[in-house]
Formats: sequence, structure tokens, C-alpha cells
Amino acid sequence: EAQVTQNPRYLITVTGKKLTVTCSQNMNHEYMSWYRQDPGLGLRQIYYSMNVEVTDKGDVPEGYKVSRKEKRNFPLILESPSPNQTSLYFCASSFTGGHSNQPQHFGDGTRLSIL
Amino acid sequence: DAKTTQPPSMDCAEGRAANLPCNHSTISGNEYVYWYRQIHSQGPQYIIHGLKNNETNEMASLIITEDRKSSTLILPHATLRDTAVYYCIVRFSPQGGSEKLVFGKGTKLTVNP
Repeated sequence: EAQVTQNPRYLITVTGKKLTVTCSQNMNHEYMSWYRQDPGLGLRQIYYSMNVEVTDKGDVPEGYKVSRKEKRNFPLILESPSPNQTSLYFCASSFTGGHSNQPQHFGDGTRLSIL
Repeated sequence: DAKTTQPPSMDCAEGRAANLPCNHSTISGNEYVYWYRQIHSQGPQYIIHGLKNNETNEMASLIITEDRKSSTLILPHATLRDTAVYYCIVRFSPQGGSEKLVFGKGTKLTVNP
């Protein structure tokens, strides 16, 4: 089954304790992206990757890191989490653009609480 | 900023067609219209997209006006499980572009029994 898998689905942790949220897709998509969703602010893009070893900042990259060493994986790293990073996070993937304009597929989300 | 305007909420009776409108008066010639929905706090789910012609798939139909300034998503026989926030997004993805989706506030569709 074609899917985007995020882990963990839920995490409660404390300020300053490094954490990684994993994202994996099995559709051979070049493009992967991370969004966060907050009440009243909608979904905002954090980082994206056009392909292996190619990453770039989205709209709200501060406090986050990403890597893309393999095509299928795109982990989101919070080196020193803070309470303002408490949010619902989504990973998405798609084939890259051009005339096909294929849709993006989203994971089920990771709810992070930073105390 | 989102380039679309949608009503904040709509109601629909179970079994009836749900028609969700979207205005995108500033759409450019190479931008597609996409519809996604989000059920509670689940990941956004792709529904359908189109450029000029009307489109239909197993989930819904998309009707785009001839001037492309507005569109309507039609769920032909709404069920309780279709209760969700529906997002209309216009986007063009040039080769090498960021593919970013800009989600507005969407329409909260409530399907009533």
C-alpha cells in the first residue's frame, strides 16, 4: 500500500532533549516536505527536499533540521526542543513538478508536546 | 497567502450531494486547482485536481468555470464520514520548484444524519 509513515505518532518530552521524528515513503517520490499545524495558523511548511541530498527552508525553519540521505526517508530533527514547537506535524511527499503536477500524499501526523 | 476564498462552513444532509464552492479570481493560466480534506486531526487527504476541464474520480467531481475564476467540488452522495475541513488550493509546480501547498482556512463541512 502506498503510504507516508511517520513515527512516533505522539510524543511528550521536555525542553532541550533532542528528538527526531521519522518520515518514510514507499512511492519513490523525489519530493518530501514537513509541515506544522497550529490552531488559527493552518499548515505551514518547515523544510522541504527536492531529492536526495537536496534540502531547503520553508516558511518556519527556525529550530528544526532535516536530512535526506536516502530517497525514502526525511527525518525532522529538533536539536533543542522548546515549548513553542508543541504542534501537530505532517510529512508529505510527491513526484516533483512540471506538467504532471501530481498531488502530495500526507502522513497521519505526529503530535509533539514539549514541556 | 492563500489565493482562494471559501465559505467557512457548510452543512449537508446525509445521502445528498455536497457542493463546495471556491473562488480563485487571480488564478494564472498554468495554475492547477487542488482539493484536499482533513478529517479531524488526520493528515490532509488528496481528493482531486484539475486545470481547465471538469474532472471526476471515485471520490468526487470538480467543476471549473470557463473563466477558471471559481470551481466547485461535488461529493455526490455525502456520508457522515465526509465531515471534514475541505481545502481548495491553486498551485503551479515548475520543474525544480518547491511544491509548497498553501492551505487557507478551508470549509468545515458537516454532514448531518
